[in-house]
Amino acid sequence: DVKVTQSSRYLVKRTGEKVFLECVQDMDHENMFWYRQDPGLGLRLIYFSYDVKMKEKGDIPEGYSVSREKKERFSLILESASTNQTSMYLCASHGGAALYGYTFGSGTRLTVV
Amino acid sequence: RKEVEQDPGPFNVPEGATVAFNCTYSNSASQSFFWYRQDCRKEPKLLMSVYSSGNEDGRFTAQLNRASQYISLLIRDSKLSDSATYLCVVKPGGYQLIWGAGTKLIIKP
Repeated sequence: DVKVTQSSRYLVKRTGEKVFLECVQDMDHENMFWYRQDPGLGLRLIYFSYDVKMKEKGDIPEGYSVSREKKERFSLILESASTNQTSMYLCASHGGAALYGYTFGSGTRLTVV
Repeated sequence: RKEVEQDPGPFNVPEGATVAFNCTYSNSASQSFFWYRQDCRKEPKLLMSVYSSGNEDGRFTAQLNRASQYISLLIRDSKLSDSATYLCVVKPGGYQLIWGAGTKLIIKP
């Protein structure tokens, strides 16, 4: 089974802090994604990466950046955390075959105070 | 109009009953379709892909209607453990998935 591991399950950060969310997958997948999930809004794509050092903006990239220096690791960075970034953050990976879904990490619930 | 729309529910259903919900999508060029299940405070997990001819996996049946642009999920003989939020997912092409906001299902004893 593919495993996607997110470094923290719960985080509490202060407004203005720089926040790093780490995600590691162990199946050599090319594609990795960062989503946030808020009640009633579904999952919204922040950034994705289809190869090392490659990144593409998703639907809501503002206030975020990403880093993919190694194939297995995809990091999400909140440059200056704000209260409206309080959310559940989900990392996913995908091997590329169209009929296979994504595998998600267990999520990081971030609270910005 | 949202790209993928689902009735948020909740659907309150007695154990053993059959329940079905639909999901509509706006992009007629969409290529792949999925149902995910998400338990409370957990990550989404793939329930099943939806094939053009429809497909079944045990008590679960998924259908695709391209003409009307919707997919459906039918759950037969519902169990208490089926209580969850069911997310409809559409892949227009490329790398991205478009997610519905989910339908909450509560199975009651």
